[in-house]
Amino acid sequence: NAGVTQTPKFQVLKTGQSMTLQCAQDMNHNSMYWYRQDPGMGLRLIYYSASEGTTDKGEVPNGYNVSRLNKREFSLRLESAAPSQTSVYFCATTVAGGPVVEQYFGPGTRLTVT
Amino acid sequence: DAKTTQPTSMDCAEGRAANLPCNHSTISGNEYVYWYRQIHSQGPQYIIHGLKNNETNEMASLIITEDRKSSTLILPHATLRDTAVYYCIVPSGDTGRRALTFGSGTRLQVQP
Repeated sequence: NAGVTQTPKFQVLKTGQSMTLQCAQDMNHNSMYWYRQDPGMGLRLIYYSASEGTTDKGEVPNGYNVSRLNKREFSLRLESAAPSQTSVYFCATTVAGGPVVEQYFGPGTRLTVT
Repeated sequence: DAKTTQPTSMDCAEGRAANLPCNHSTISGNEYVYWYRQIHSQGPQYIIHGLKNNETNEMASLIITEDRKSSTLILPHATLRDTAVYYCIVPSGDTGRRALTFGSGTRLQVQP
């Protein structure tokens, strides 16, 4: 039971390059999230997927796209990376339904855009 | 999400109780209080949550005031491994989105 896994762990991109961050979970959770965390700051929500087949924007969606490939996988794509997207990216999951919001986080992807 | 206010940083001696306060004066009646922590840039880790009653689990205790405008997370016997940033979060009642809003949290340094 791996929980929430993210690949890659580290990535360096040049401005304008594209890449996809992968997230997978084996917890059978319906909802999945992508957050970013800039140095010294709290996490900010980029996109979320309440269930398979649905995605919605969070606080800071500009410059990103997402795909909920199936129940297990939720990917985040940077089409044209910018230095402002240098950050640590966390994927999270939670069960659906009810008021309780206990989220499970992956280990993060550390992205540097030069 | 209801706004929360936490001290920027706190110190605690190893083996002593760490008491981390949080103000959430705009909390609504059906909103829970959640605590997460983040150890050295790892993914945040859920600690505990509560609505109105005090709660305890294997990691911590949560004390919520009767008017629910503030709460305290208690780590009863802090260890060096408890050094982390602790986030107090009150998610909105938007159960469809169910995302968390992380502020800056409290940086707890446990001293040997």
